[in-house]
Amino acid sequence: DAGITQSPRYKITETGRQVTLMCHQTWSHSYMFWYRQDLGHGLRLIYYSAAADITDKGEVPDGYVVSRSKTENFPLTLESATRSQTSVYFCASSAPNQRETQYFGPGTRLLVL
Amino acid sequence: AQRVTQPEKLLSVFKGAPVELKCNYSYSGSPELFWYVQYSRQRLQLLLRHISRESIKGFTADLNKGETSFHLKKPFAQEEDSAMYYCALSGGNQGGKLIFGQGTELSVKP
Repeated sequence: DAGITQSPRYKITETGRQVTLMCHQTWSHSYMFWYRQDLGHGLRLIYYSAAADITDKGEVPDGYVVSRSKTENFPLTLESATRSQTSVYFCASSAPNQRETQYFGPGTRLLVL
Repeated sequence: AQRVTQPEKLLSVFKGAPVELKCNYSYSGSPELFWYVQYSRQRLQLLLRHISRESIKGFTADLNKGETSFHLKKPFAQEEDSAMYYCALSGGNQGGKLIFGQGTELSVKP
């Protein structure tokens, strides 16, 4: 489980500020994912990446930006945070031969005031 | 539209009682279905997938395409089964994207 880490674990920010959530994995998994978890909605996919320099939108991408210059890192940036982006954010990764067997990070709790 | 519905937010049973966590899906093609579980203070992890047709920790789930359901069952619940359970759907060749249900919290009382 220590193979995928997220930082920070907790973050408080203000509306309008830019925030970057980090995700790092040591398995060299080609696939990486960002989800947000909200009461009543379960987990919703924000963005995903099939490999370095390949990213695509998920279900709720608006207000978020991702990049993947290296296989092991997949940062998620909130360009101008809004209160509706208060959530728990999970990063996950998977190997190409078992893409749906995703390994999750511990999550980042983000509060936007 | 692709959708996964878990109608129960909370399911509370006594130890030794049977458990059934419901999952219904909406998908036009041939889906792959999964159950993920999150125990207290642990990470979300895969519990089982329908194509494996396996029993994990005593849990089984059968894909019923006629009823578009993938209910998770265990004949005798244990206290350590208490957790948050998520049903998830993949549409096959969609880059590993999963659509999750809202989750059901299972509480097994002694």
